[in-house]
Amino acid sequence: SQQGEEDPQALSIQEGENATMNCSYKTSINNLQWYRQNSGRGLVHLILIRSNEREKHSGRLRVTLDTSKKSSSLLITASRAADTASYFCATDGSGGSNYKLTFGKGTLLTVNP
Amino acid sequence: NAGVMQNPRHLVRRRGQEARLRCSPMKGHSHVYWYRQLPEEGLKFMVYLQKENIIDESGMPKERFSAEFPKEGPSILRIQQVVRGDSAAYFCASSRNDPATNEKLFFGSGTQLSVL
Repeated sequence: SQQGEEDPQALSIQEGENATMNCSYKTSINNLQWYRQNSGRGLVHLILIRSNEREKHSGRLRVTLDTSKKSSSLLITASRAADTASYFCATDGSGGSNYKLTFGKGTLLTVNP
Repeated sequence: NAGVMQNPRHLVRRRGQEARLRCSPMKGHSHVYWYRQLPEEGLKFMVYLQKENIIDESGMPKERFSAEFPKEGPSILRIQQVVRGDSAAYFCASSRNDPATNEKLFFGSGTQLSVL
């Protein structure tokens, strides 16, 4: 079964720096999504990138997708302390089960003020 | 417009007891999904329901677990005779339309189940 795997597992940076997180998966996908989870809270949807897209921007977020390498990256520019959270990538099934998302274990990002 | 509401936030049960987790989807959403997050793991799909129908329960354990989404009221995830391995965060998500349209899922804050 496919699985999103994020790396690094943990990332600690200073406020103002950029943070890059990577995700790899194993099988074909329709789209890939990134979510944020603050400690003890639910997931917040950040961005969705479709399999025919290579790059997408949303505010300070930039997501890339390389389907040949089955990998994606999430870049947060000019990080803020409020960006401290766990970040997960989630893939769907190319067979059409868009709700049956497969999540990785996440990257814990700590932004130090 | 309230988001997906789950309660309780924390639930403690002893082995062998029953756990009932509730989820009220966002207003206007008729599709509900349950996910489980074991410690140090990513979320894993359990079940997809529409009003009064289970659409896909392929991720749900065959025994002790059941889910419903009645015509009126919240969706319920029920775990009978809980064991320590059931300890996890259970998240509910909802969407307005059929997920085949690449509809975004909105997640609740989860219920943390601890089995003593």
